[in-house]
Amino acid sequence: GQQVMQIPQYQHVQEGEDFTTYCNSSTTLSNIQWYKQRPGGHPVFLIQLVKSGEVKKQKRLTFQFGEAKKNSSLHITATQTTDVGTYFCARGGGADGLTFGKGTHLIIQP
Amino acid sequence: DGGITQSPKYLFRKEGQNVTLSCEQNLNHDAMYWYRQDPGQGLRLIYYSQIVNDFQKGDIAEGYSVSREKKESFPLTVTSAQKNPTAFYLCASSPRRVHNEKLFFGSGTQLSVL
Repeated sequence: GQQVMQIPQYQHVQEGEDFTTYCNSSTTLSNIQWYKQRPGGHPVFLIQLVKSGEVKKQKRLTFQFGEAKKNSSLHITATQTTDVGTYFCARGGGADGLTFGKGTHLIIQP
Repeated sequence: DGGITQSPKYLFRKEGQNVTLSCEQNLNHDAMYWYRQDPGQGLRLIYYSQIVNDFQKGDIAEGYSVSREKKESFPLTVTSAQKNPTAFYLCASSPRRVHNEKLFFGSGTQLSVL
């Protein structure tokens, strides 16, 4: 399937700092999903964005879908140790299901 | 307790050996998927099935085989033709046979080569 590029690959932050990961595509996305995988765990669905310019919030997490539907971002405000893990975006709508980005590993230093 | 069960949690394969990874779901989901996860590579699709007795190849199907004889079960066989099988294997399911559905993942199987 068509790839989605995620940056950065790794992000080290101090506890309490903000964190942002970006997901970019060269083609228009019908929808974008975000997943979180804790160390040693499995991916867990966080949210799906469908509409151009859509913004959704879950407590300290803010998800955005670009106006052109070619990019998305996940922003975490005031990180906590429980936020540690890898955050994946995934594009849907292709003939072979979801295509995942390579993920951003969030490392938090207390 | 509903969910997706993968077994075993850890599996070791000898050279030339076929091994089978189990995936069972009691969520009554139509679609099931197998992904391979390597460090730094994200998740790559091996096979998927949208209905019993039907399945499709994903991006990296070579060296793998699957079956879907029951709605609840989607086992993955890693054959001896897969020369680099060491990876974390994740099974997933989704409620309907459409490609925008969110995925529910099992806890994974770590396969290593002896």
